[in-house]
Amino acid sequence: GQQVMQIPQYQHVQEGEDFTTYCNSSTTLSNIQWYKQRPGGHPVFLIQLVKSGEVKKQKRLTFQFGEAKKNSSLHITATQTTDVGTYFCAESSGNTPLVFGKGTRLSVIA
Amino acid sequence: GAVVSQHPSWVICKSGTSVKIECRSLDFQATTMFWYRQFPKQSLMLMATSNEGSKATYEQGVEKDKFLINHASLTLSTLTVTSAHPEDSSFYICSVLKWRTEAFFGQGTRLTVV
Repeated sequence: GQQVMQIPQYQHVQEGEDFTTYCNSSTTLSNIQWYKQRPGGHPVFLIQLVKSGEVKKQKRLTFQFGEAKKNSSLHITATQTTDVGTYFCAESSGNTPLVFGKGTRLSVIA
Repeated sequence: GAVVSQHPSWVICKSGTSVKIECRSLDFQATTMFWYRQFPKQSLMLMATSNEGSKATYEQGVEKDKFLINHASLTLSTLTVTSAHPEDSSFYICSVLKWRTEAFFGQGTRLTVV
């Protein structure tokens, strides 16, 4: 089935530094979703991108969908300790289950 | 938004016993629910798709006789781990898709088999 590759697997940053995680697919994605899972918690929906080249912002978070709809990125500006967690990209098609990337675990050093 | 309630949030059981995990969609009628398993520091792996009123669809490599899924109503799906072994210890989590795209997850159940 469809697979989304996500990098990096881990990222350690100093508080205030920026952070980016990337999601790539060998085939065209119908859409891309991003989720955040805090340590010990469950994934929480952040955003969905559907259109080619789409860019959406949520405060310090910027989400991009590539022109070819084969890659996506999540960028966090000036990280805070509250950003700690694992960020997953996922692809969904209709009523089928989400296919998750392996996730990027972000740790922020105060 | 949709609220999904999963119970219990954690359970410890002895090897050989069975454990039932409930997943309820509190404000949304879900004909389909999904069960995932997540090992420490790993991604969510889909185990099965639970279909209301019919048999669940299991992913390759998931034993249907070991992980029994029942979806008797539009708001409740249960996952029973039968004859649990220590290697079944994991984080089990259910989800529903609302508006056919956005996924809402239960709180998850941390199972430890001793």
